[in-house]
Amino acid sequence: AQSVTQLGSHVSVSEGALVLLRCNYSSSVPPYLFWYVQYPNQGLQLLLKYTSAATLVKGINGFEAEFKKSETSFHLTKPSAHMSDAAEYFCAVSKAAGNKLTFGGGTRVLVKP
Amino acid sequence: DTAVSQTPKYLVTQMGNDKSIKCEQNLGHDTMYWYKQDSKKFLKIMFSYNNKELIINETVPNRFSPKSPDKAHLNLHINSLELGDSAVYFCASNGQLNEAFFGQGTRLTVV
Repeated sequence: AQSVTQLGSHVSVSEGALVLLRCNYSSSVPPYLFWYVQYPNQGLQLLLKYTSAATLVKGINGFEAEFKKSETSFHLTKPSAHMSDAAEYFCAVSKAAGNKLTFGGGTRVLVKP
Repeated sequence: DTAVSQTPKYLVTQMGNDKSIKCEQNLGHDTMYWYKQDSKKFLKIMFSYNNKELIINETVPNRFSPKSPDKAHLNLHINSLELGDSAVYFCASNGQLNEAFFGQGTRLTVV
């Protein structure tokens, strides 16, 4: 069975500071990995995805994530936080194209002015 | 045009009632899902349909019955609603390389 662990349910950063959200996964097969963002009272929006191509993946809104197989990690970063980055972030894994997503518990990001 | 649309966005109902949530996608995807997000924001798959056929049914009470009249629609009917059913329900559909598109969610409150 697959699982996803997101370290830290809450992260607080200052505007302009680095955002780092941690995600570790377990999977018996090469995984597909995703980061989604959820703004208050909204659905989930895809930030970026890893599907066995380049290990450094760039997404929308200045976010990027690096797939590290040896560490079974897929951490999300953004060099400079903006107030609009305040949201809930979810890491997710699936076994194959067209398969269901297994989500981590989410990390809420608070951006301080 | 909204890619995945759900109705209603908010639903408040009494225990014991039966209610439905509708979902439509205009992306031409073959696979559609229902996910449940609980009060702690945890997201879990409930059902998955591929071309109108049920392919995933996670351990969900049989009070929940999905229906897919065609591959663009996946509705969720819930019988005998309980307090514990209060949650946000998300519909999603699958794109290429498993990129899932989500609806805006339906916040169900059972009182």
